[in-house]
Amino acid sequence: DTGVSQDPRHKITKRGQNVTFRCDPISEHNRLYWYRQTLGQGPEFLTYFQNEAQLEKSRLLSDRFSAERPKGSFSTLEIQRTEQGDSAMYLCASSMGQGAINEKLFFGSGTQLSVL
Amino acid sequence: AQKITQTQPGMFVQEKEAVTLDCTYDTSDPSYGLFWYKQPSSGEMIFLIYQGSYDQQNATEGRYSLNFQKARKSANLVISASQLGDSAMYFCAMREGRYSSASKIIFGSGTRLSIRP
Repeated sequence: DTGVSQDPRHKITKRGQNVTFRCDPISEHNRLYWYRQTLGQGPEFLTYFQNEAQLEKSRLLSDRFSAERPKGSFSTLEIQRTEQGDSAMYLCASSMGQGAINEKLFFGSGTQLSVL
Repeated sequence: AQKITQTQPGMFVQEKEAVTLDCTYDTSDPSYGLFWYKQPSSGEMIFLIYQGSYDQQNATEGRYSLNFQKARKSANLVISASQLGDSAMYFCAMREGRYSSASKIIFGSGTRLSIRP
């Protein structure tokens, strides 16, 4: 396993369409995070999982966003009825999540979403 | 409320000089962790250094060191002998939450560091 992989790398969609992104974490990692990043800004926390359990979802996140991590392996992030403001880089990260340095995040290359 | 504050949007430093990137944080949890990440123009996020709230000594990793001042809630990154390849965005991050077993990691807004030859 070479790292965290995300698919697709780029997604262009029309406003109002639904999109789904996939993240495959490092196999032995228990924690999986989703972040959103716009140009020149820091990653904004969206949600995270401990195994298959979704532990927290950002209160700033619209109900149009949903994430799953069935069986505690890969995760999907779905955005329904996309809006132009959803255009951003969506980053996935994973960690062993057992405290201290084990919480170090390993990031994927991200999915760049453009909503026209 | 802003939990991680990086007050320097951009910095220019001469090659081979040392540079300090500022980070202050806010948490009421006695147990927390602090991270620094580098994001070059290629977009990848690269882990640099970690400091735990109970660590007695400041963390060091090669040319990177973390100036941890717990009472001031400050965790500044020091890069010694800067190189052209250090030009990038730098993000401070914190694991926050009441229990380390169920806590998320949040990021600051970043500092863009540019190294002049």
